[in-house]
Amino acid sequence: DVKVTQSSRYLVKRTGEKVFLECVQDMDHENMFWYRQDPGLGLRLIYFSYDVKMKEKGDIPEGYSVSREKKERFSLILESASTNQTSMYLCASSPPGRGRNIQYFGAGTRLSVL
Amino acid sequence: AQKVTQAQTEISVVEKEDVTLDCVYETRDTTYYLFWYKQPPSGELVFLIRRNSFDEQNEISGRYSWNFQKSTSSFNFTITASQVVDSAVYFCAPRVRSGGGADGLTFGKGTHLIIQP
Repeated sequence: DVKVTQSSRYLVKRTGEKVFLECVQDMDHENMFWYRQDPGLGLRLIYFSYDVKMKEKGDIPEGYSVSREKKERFSLILESASTNQTSMYLCASSPPGRGRNIQYFGAGTRLSVL
Repeated sequence: AQKVTQAQTEISVVEKEDVTLDCVYETRDTTYYLFWYKQPPSGELVFLIRRNSFDEQNEISGRYSWNFQKSTSSFNFTITASQVVDSAVYFCAPRVRSGGGADGLTFGKGTHLIIQP
């Protein structure tokens, strides 16, 4: 089975802190994704990576950056956390190819910024 | 502009009833894929089905069935004889191009399905 692991289920941070959310997948997938999920808004794509060191902006990249130094690991970085970044963050991975591949999701990290 | 609409925010039915979750999407692509995912209370999204836009046959998998109608841009999901374990949030996700150029899924806002015993 594909396994996507997010390092923390719950995180509490202070406004202005630098926050790292880590995601690791064990299926050698080229593509990895970060989404955030908010009540009434569904899931929205933050960033996407199709290869090591490659990244593309999603629909809501402002306030975030990402890092993909190794194929299996995709990190989401909040340079200076703000209260409006309190949310559930979901990581996903998929095999290469555009459009048709199933994305496999981690269990999510619920981040609270105080 | 919103790319996918799941008009039902929350549905509550009694166990063993049939229930249909609606999904309407917008796309200018001629070839695209459509997905449904389930998110149980544990939080992890689980893949249910993928459909190619060229294949308009309905799909049935056990108690689950999907009705894809390209002419109306709809991809509805029906659970027959619902069970308490079906309680979850269900997301429709057409693979449409996002404005940012990325190729992630575009999710609807989800339908929270509650099956009461």
